[in-house]
Amino acid sequence: EDKVVQSPLSLVVHEGDTVTLNCSYEVTNFRSLLWYKQEKKAPTFLFMLTSSGIEKKSGRLSSILDKKELSSILNITATQTGDSAIYLCAVEGSGGSNYKLTFGKGTLLTVNP
Amino acid sequence: DTEVTQTPKHLVMGMTNKKSLKCEQHMGHRAMYWYKQKAKKPPELMFVYSYEKLSINESVPSRFSPECPNSSLLNLHLHALQPEDSALYLCASSFRLLTGANVLTFGAGSRLTVL
Repeated sequence: EDKVVQSPLSLVVHEGDTVTLNCSYEVTNFRSLLWYKQEKKAPTFLFMLTSSGIEKKSGRLSSILDKKELSSILNITATQTGDSAIYLCAVEGSGGSNYKLTFGKGTLLTVNP
Repeated sequence: DTEVTQTPKHLVMGMTNKKSLKCEQHMGHRAMYWYKQKAKKPPELMFVYSYEKLSINESVPSRFSPECPNSSLLNLHLHALQPEDSALYLCASSFRLLTGANVLTFGAGSRLTVL
């Protein structure tokens, strides 16, 4: 069974700090890893990382895939209160059913002013 | 249109009621999903439809009945629910990239309360 573990489960920082969120996975025939941000309602897509695209960046957010360590990090620099959310990591493998994403439990990030 | 639209946003129902949740997308995505999310937990997959056919049922109780009338619509029919079924129900749709990777777009969710 595919498994995704995120750490830390929660994190409290001050505005302007830099944070690193971790995601490790065990999956049959890794296909992709996705990061989502969830505030009050629906998760919104941040990044997708695959074997052919192991680093992504968008503004203050960046993510790297380490295929050897079977893990990924999500970095947020110069954090703002609007970054407060749950960050979900999800992995898709092709060993089981197609279309099934396995989610981690998420990291709850709180950014205080 | 880059959205997944879910209705209603909130639903309160009794254990003997029959109700439905609806989901619509016009992005041409051929896979559509229902997820259930309890407070402070990650989304849990319930059903996946691929090209309007049910391809995954994660052993969901029969009191939840999905339906995909066409490629843009997905319904979840609810009957004889239990209070523990109260949760946020998320619909999603996806397309598969040439790399094989699958990107899900989520709707805003329907908050269900069962009394």
